[in-house]
Amino acid sequence: GDSVTQMEGPVTLSEEAFLTINCTYTATGYPSLFWYVQYPGEGLQLLLKATKADDKGSNKGFEATYRKETTSFHLEKGSVQVSDSAVYFCALSRGGGADGLTFGKGTHLIIQP
Amino acid sequence: DVKVTQSSRYLVKRTGEKVFLECVQDMDHENMFWYRQDPGLGLRLIYFSYDVKMKEKGDIPEGYSVSREKKERFSLILESASTNQTSMYLCASSPPGDLRNEQFFGPGTRLTVL
Repeated sequence: GDSVTQMEGPVTLSEEAFLTINCTYTATGYPSLFWYVQYPGEGLQLLLKATKADDKGSNKGFEATYRKETTSFHLEKGSVQVSDSAVYFCALSRGGGADGLTFGKGTHLIIQP
Repeated sequence: DVKVTQSSRYLVKRTGEKVFLECVQDMDHENMFWYRQDPGLGLRLIYFSYDVKMKEKGDIPEGYSVSREKKERFSLILESASTNQTSMYLCASSPPGDLRNEQFFGPGTRLTVL
C-alpha cells in the first residue's frame, strides 16, 4: 500500500540555520503531496502542497519540490526561526474521491535561539 | 477562517464505557475525517465521510463507529472503550473536488482510557 517515510527526529537547529526534512513516498498512480505542520497544543495546518511532478510548493519561507524520479518531497527553509519549532508531517493523497491522506510519522523540529 | 471544533480537549474514561467524540465544522464542507495520532506512528485514518449519512472505513476502523446525521457534525463512537484506544483523536474537514485533500484540522481530543 501507499506509504510515507520521514527522517526521524527530533531535529535540533540553531536560529538562522538551513533546514531540510527528508520525505520519500511509495504510491500507485500520481498522488498529490503535502506538508502539514502541528504547533504545540494545536491541530495540524496545511503548510504547502504540490499536485504533480516538478511542482514546487511554497509558504512562509518553506519550499518543497515534487520529484517523481526520486519519489521525494523534501521540505527546506533557508533560515529557520524559533517560531518554526513544531512537528512537521509529510502526506500524500490516497486516491480518487475523499479518501483522506496517508501521513508520515512526523518530524519534531526544535529551533534554539 | 474555517473552524473545526472538537467537543473536548481532554477526556478520561473507564474501560468498557461508550465514548462519543464530537466534531463540528462551520464551512459547509462535504468531507470529514477522523484520525488518531500516536507517538512514532503519526496519524492513521479511522473513518471518513463524504456526505450526510455516508461513511467509509479508513485504515484502522476496528473498535470504532461513526455517525453523520448533519453535514456539519461528524461523531466518532467507541462502543466499548479499551486501554489501547488511549490516544489523541483529530477531526478534519475538507471541501469537495480538487481541494478535497486540503484538510482543516481541529485541535484534537486527548482520550485516556483507564
